[in-house]
Amino acid sequence: DQQVKQNSPSLSVQEGRISILNCDYTNSMFDYFLWYKKYPAEGPTFLISISSIKDKNEDGRFTVFLNKSAKHLSLHIVPSQPGDSAVYFCAAKRGGSNYKLTFGKGTLLTVNP
Amino acid sequence: DAGVIQSPRHEVTEMGQEVTLRCKPISGHNSLFWYRQTMMRGLELLIYFNNNVPIDDSGMPEDRFSAKMPNASFSTLKIQPSEPRDSAVYFCASSLLAGVNEQFFGPGTRLTVL
Repeated sequence: DQQVKQNSPSLSVQEGRISILNCDYTNSMFDYFLWYKKYPAEGPTFLISISSIKDKNEDGRFTVFLNKSAKHLSLHIVPSQPGDSAVYFCAAKRGGSNYKLTFGKGTLLTVNP
Repeated sequence: DAGVIQSPRHEVTEMGQEVTLRCKPISGHNSLFWYRQTMMRGLELLIYFNNNVPIDDSGMPEDRFSAKMPNASFSTLKIQPSEPRDSAVYFCASSLLAGVNEQFFGPGTRLTVL
């Protein structure tokens, strides 16, 4: 039973355009969401997060949108750069000081020059 | 500053052999996590330590898996005996305060059991 789903295994985008990565969750107890980025032969690195009390969080070229009613979040990268090519993992956790992250299976983003 | 260090980076072994994966967390971090990544199940938490004490081992798949953290700067994940279905990438992560601060991941150990 996958509680965090990333239905697109891969996405290809032209440099300079917008990349939109999607994530759906089923557990209504999740109230904090994170995106991690992973290059080959490296571990995942934290990118951006959002609390359920917000619907948007922005950090430079990266923006995460949360739609709680739809149990859906998305990561927008604008403009996309070739260095953004990586696997992106969506993760979720329950409230308070809960440590347990539930990850999606990831989406491979390729940004073509 | 060094990040999370894992060794070995690659391990190839034969079924039935004992495998030991090692992790050195970031200095000063109180929480340590072991994850496993497979194509089928994605990235899943195996065990979580806080201040060297195992808090949650509900993700450990079987008794063949065991983890220890003898001190704040070292942890091991052992598989004995190993099986082909244990082939995966194993990540160690640490954080300053679990649940509050982000988790920093090591580069992973790619395990292949023949």
